[in-house]
Parts: sequence; structure tokens; C-alpha cells
Amino acid sequence: AQSVSQHNHHVILSEAASLELGCNYSYGGTVNLFWYVQYPGQHLQLLLKYFSGDPLVKGIKGFEAEFIKSKFSFNLRKPSVQWSDTAEYFCAVNDPLPYGGATNKLIFGTGTLLAVQP
Amino acid sequence: GAVVSQHPSWVICKSGTSVKIECRSLDFQATTMFWYRQFPKQSLMLMATSNEGSKATYEQGVEKDKFLINHASLTLSTLTVTSAHPEDSSFYICSASGRATGNSYETQYFGPGTRLLVL
Repeated sequence: AQSVSQHNHHVILSEAASLELGCNYSYGGTVNLFWYVQYPGQHLQLLLKYFSGDPLVKGIKGFEAEFIKSKFSFNLRKPSVQWSDTAEYFCAVNDPLPYGGATNKLIFGTGTLLAVQP
Repeated sequence: GAVVSQHPSWVICKSGTSVKIECRSLDFQATTMFWYRQFPKQSLMLMATSNEGSKATYEQGVEKDKFLINHASLTLSTLTVTSAHPEDSSFYICSASGRATGNSYETQYFGPGTRLLVL
């Protein structure tokens, strides 16, 4: 079964620092990959997604993620964080089907809480 | 576009009562809706998947008689927690996927969640 790991549970950065949040998944077949963000008191919002094509995906608010198939990874990056990026970030992967393709069920990582100090 | 709402946003009830939570897709037709449960400091746990007009598919360990899901239309799904107990207290989140403008069916859009407290 597919599983998703986010190794950083808490990250504390100063404004303008660069960010990289790790995400690894276990199943190596066809995957659709997502990063969601949950700002304090708000609902989950889609940051970016990868289905196919260019493995470097640009999302909203200056975020990007790179799909590296050989490493089963989909790390999230931002060159310069802002205080307003303080939030919890979730990586998610579609649940794969036994014979290829993927369902539209999402398997979530445990989340990474990012705190940006002004 | 792709807005999902939930009602109520929070509810407090007595043990033994039933609570209904609504999830609506406001600007697209949600062919599939999902119900999640989120415990403090933990990730989202998928409870069930519902397709419009079909019975919900429950994840392993989720009691279908306790968590009744109805997806009667392409814009509304309901989760009813029957005979609620304090251990059912949690944050319940729905999401919807469908042919929203510019997106494929695989993308899920999340509601704001419903916080349930059972006394």
C-alpha cells in the first residue's frame, strides 16, 4: 500500500530564508503528487500538483516542487519565505491501482508545521 | 472556483445523540466526495469515499453503521455520526473532486472542516 513520509515535523525559519520540505512516497508506479497548505484557522488549500510532464512544478505564492522518480520524492521549495507562509504543509499522493494508474483517493503525509519568524 | 463549504463549522452535543454534517460543492459538480477525520497534531485520515448516487466505500476500521454517509446529489454529501460518544470528538473534513474549471477529477478541494465535541 502507498505511504507518504514527511520527515520534518516542525521547521522554524527566519524571514527570507530558503525552505525545503521533504516528501517521500513508497509505491513506485504511476503517481499523482500534491502539496496542500493549511493556514491557521483555515481549510486545506492546494499549493501545487504533479501529474506528468516537467518534473519541476510551479505553484502559487512562489512555491515549487520537484518530482524525482528515482528517489520517490516530491520536495517542496521556496527561495525566500515570508511570515505569512507560517502554516502546516501536507504532501499527498493518489492511491495506486493494482494494475497501473491511480484512484482519486489521497494518502496524506503527517504534515510539517512551518513557523516563520519575522 | 472550486469552493467547498461545510456546515456546521462546529457542534457540541451530548453523548448518545446523532449529529449531521453537510458538505457542499458550491461552484462545481462533485462526482466524488471524501470524508476525513483529523486528530490533533496528526494527518488527515480518510474515512470514506462517496460517489453520487452510490453507497459509500469505507476505509478499513471505519464503522459504516456509525458514520452514515449520503451523497444524494452532485453538490451535497452528508455525514451523520450516530449515537455519538466522546471518542468521536474530532475535526471532520470533507473534500470534493469533479470537473471543476481547469482541473481534472484527481484534484480534491477541501471544506473548512467541522469540529465536533461530544460531552
